[in-house]
Amino acid sequence: SAVISQKPSRDICQRGTSLTIQCQVDSQVTMMFWYRQQPGQSLTLIATANQGSEATYESGFVIDKFPISRPNLTFSTLTVSNMSPEDSSIYLCSAASGDNYGYTFGSGTRLTVV
Amino acid sequence: QKEVEQNSGPLSVPEGAIASLNCTYSDRGSQSFFWYRQYSGKSPELIMFIYSNGDKEDGRFTAQLNKASQYVSLLIRDSQPSDSATYLCAVTHTDKLIFGTGTRLQVFP
Repeated sequence: SAVISQKPSRDICQRGTSLTIQCQVDSQVTMMFWYRQQPGQSLTLIATANQGSEATYESGFVIDKFPISRPNLTFSTLTVSNMSPEDSSIYLCSAASGDNYGYTFGSGTRLTVV
Repeated sequence: QKEVEQNSGPLSVPEGAIASLNCTYSDRGSQSFFWYRQYSGKSPELIMFIYSNGDKEDGRFTAQLNKASQYVSLLIRDSQPSDSATYLCAVTHTDKLIFGTGTRLQVFP
């Protein structure tokens, strides 16, 4: 299965600023996803990162707040824009090769907004 | 809204016992089913996946799937304190992976 490098691992940011999270996969993958995990909760899908086209967002998430890029089959970024304390969470990227042998995760980015 | 339901626990079992974790899902179109383990402060780690009705065994872990009942379970035999973690059930909806709320398992010596 794919190995994903995610960075930064953590950050503390001022409200009103933006943070870009990067994920690099060690092999080409068909699908990449971004999740949010709030403290003590499960994973909520933010969006599917589509290579060469706009991301597909889940209900409750919008492009202006969480712009996503996927320029190729091994790399994606998620930006958390105009942050507020409510954005404090762990953000995780995930990749799947399309063979149904599981979706692997990056190590996560722990974001604290102050 | 497609849903995946799990009992949040905690489920407490003694060392050496069988831990049984359960999950139900609402989307009859789901084709693939996964169990992930997540230690505190870590990202989810894939334990098992199952696609067909019945049982699938891998070491101390057995996944069970019943599509008619929309039910998937995970059995952990000979539970160890190191198995203490949150176990996340996930099912596919089209190509997306939708997670349940997770069950916290505690294995006590």
